[in-house]
Amino acid sequence: EVQLEQSGAEVKEPGESLKISCKGSGYKFTSYWIGWVRQMPGKGLEWMGIVYPGDSDTRYSPSFQGQVTISADKSINTAYLQWSSLKASDTAMYYCARLGQWLVDGDFDYWGQGTLVTVSS
Amino acid sequence: SNKPTQPLSVSVALGQTARITCGGDIVGSDNVHWYQQKPGQAPVLVIYRNNKRPSGIPERFSGSKSGNTATLTISRAQAGDEADYYCQGWDSNTYVFGTGTEVTVL
Repeated sequence: EVQLEQSGAEVKEPGESLKISCKGSGYKFTSYWIGWVRQMPGKGLEWMGIVYPGDSDTRYSPSFQGQVTISADKSINTAYLQWSSLKASDTAMYYCARLGQWLVDGDFDYWGQGTLVTVSS
Repeated sequence: SNKPTQPLSVSVALGQTARITCGGDIVGSDNVHWYQQKPGQAPVLVIYRNNKRPSGIPERFSGSKSGNTATLTISRAQAGDEADYYCQGWDSNTYVFGTGTEVTVL
């Protein structure tokens, strides 16, 4: 059974750094891209970027390029999303999701349970 | 914005058919996928590549596309189908989600 297990909720202050994780199981982790999706409170879904754990190739949405860093450690089947300096506007639910068979024009076939990040002073 | 546009909300009587549209240039040029998100839960893929159903998704869910409009159809709507639904396309090497539709079953 394919599963994506995300790290727990975080409460941080503005300016702090943060790295959240997404551990895959039940499939060959190195053969599928993993994406990150933001959902701000009461809002819709926004694609942030993807990483290919096999070779750590990474692609970013223009909206998030330079704002976050996406990475993966294939030795422990885990993908990461990190911030170097959080802002209050980063408060959101963050989902990781597996990209299906196709990179181009692909769908996200399995999703993690989400990690709630709250940034407040 | 190049986000595919969806109606803000759709209401459907129990047992009837709901249709959710997703429109825009992105829709016309590539495949469309659909996700269901129930309150407090992660999204679930219900239709991929316009009209294909993942295993475990009821046959009541179907998808179609014509020109610049894709449609998710929920037949014989049940109370458990109440959720937000998002379409998703592809544009200029980015994955783009639609604006989302809240479905209410009356």
